[in-house]
Amino acid sequence: AQSVTQLDSHVSVSEGTPVLLRCNYSSSYSPSLFWYVQHPNKGLQLLLKYTSAATLVKGINGFEAEFKKSETSFHLTKPSAHMSDAAEYFCVVSDMDTGRRALTFGSGTRLQVQP
Amino acid sequence: ETGVTQSPTHLIKTRGQQVTLRCSSQSGHNTVSWYQQALGQGPQFIFQYYREEENGRGNFPPRFSGLQFPNYSSELNVNALELDDSALYLCASRVRGGGDTGELFFGEGSRLTVL
Repeated sequence: AQSVTQLDSHVSVSEGTPVLLRCNYSSSYSPSLFWYVQHPNKGLQLLLKYTSAATLVKGINGFEAEFKKSETSFHLTKPSAHMSDAAEYFCVVSDMDTGRRALTFGSGTRLQVQP
Repeated sequence: ETGVTQSPTHLIKTRGQQVTLRCSSQSGHNTVSWYQQALGQGPQFIFQYYREEENGRGNFPPRFSGLQFPNYSSELNVNALELDDSALYLCASRVRGGGDTGELFFGEGSRLTVL
């Protein structure tokens, strides 16, 4: 069975300061990991994905995440927050073994960006 | 724009009724999955269809059923609605096989309220 734990339900930062959203995963297989963002009244958008290539993954809008197998972590970072980054962020692990590719979502982290 | 459209965007039903939610995927996306997102939670996998057959299901009862059509559209049907079925229902599609980038493309969802 696979699972994802997002360690913070809510993170608040000031505009221009770094962002860190924490995620730990559990998977019986070599996982595929994703970060999705959900803006209010919008669909889920893929920020970045890890699929066993480079452990440091760069995504859209300046976000990146580092896969650390020894720590079973996949934290999302951004050097400088922008007001438009305020949204709900989901860490996601994929069931790749069966080809079903069902996604297991974390409970989400709401990012608030203060001016 | 993800190319995935869902209808209706909002609807209200009463307990015991039945509901059909619809999704139109991108041309060529032969795999569609449905997720339920309760308020304040991450999406949960309901089931997946590949070439018009269900090939994966999450922890949802049989009163949740679906159909996938050759024209890349699909339906989610829920019978005997319960209050706890109130949620945002998300459709997601992808290409399985050649051209599969591993990304799921999500629609903006149908928000169901059960009274």
